Amino acid sequence: AQSVAQPEDQVNVAEGNPLTVKCTYSVSGNPYLFWYVQYPNRGLQFLLKYITGDNLVKGSYGFEAEFNKSQTSFHLKKPSALVSDSALYFCAVREFGSSNTGKLIFGQGTTLQVKP
Amino acid sequence: DGGITQSPKYLFRKEGQNVTLSCEQNLNHDAMYWYRQDPGQGLRLIYYSQIVNDFQKGDIAEGYSVSREKKESFPLTVTSAQKNPTAFYLCASSHTGQVPTGELFFGEGSRLTVL
Repeated sequence: AQSVAQPEDQVNVAEGNPLTVKCTYSVSGNPYLFWYVQYPNRGLQFLLKYITGDNLVKGSYGFEAEFNKSQTSFHLKKPSALVSDSALYFCAVREFGSSNTGKLIFGQGTTLQVKP
Repeated sequence: DGGITQSPKYLFRKEGQNVTLSCEQNLNHDAMYWYRQDPGQGLRLIYYSQIVNDFQKGDIAEGYSVSREKKESFPLTVTSAQKNPTAFYLCASSHTGQVPTGELFFGEGSRLTVL
């Protein structure tokens, strides 16, 4: 069965420092990977996705993610964190195949706290 | 502007009552989804629909029902059979096709509290 794991419930980083939010996945075929951000009492906003091609994907608000097939990881990164980046981040995977329904499987989420 | 509209934003219900959460999209998406969010558990899929008049159960469908009579609308009913209905409910939509590389677009959510 496909699954997504976000091993850290919370990540703390100082403003201006680089940040990494970790994600690992498990699928039987080629993965389609996604990152979303959620602010309190709001819906999820799409940040970026990996479908194929370059392993380094750039997305919204200066975020990027690196796809690593051998380690089955898709970590979210940003070179310089902002206080406004503080939010809940979700990694998700969709498996391509004949039975694919289009639905996403989400990780449990990681709370990012950026301190001034 | 195109998007997904969920209503109501906040809803209070007494035990034993059914409630219906509305979800409307004007993105011309074929597929629509309902997720439930609980603290520390991420998002869990309740129901999804890839086409009008057709829908499938997700991972936690018990105690919920849906309909898809129009492409734009995918209402969710939380029935009295749902044992722990207090949660944040998120509706989403997406393009479908042979190569479904598209992301989901989410509404702003509906927070249901059972008193």
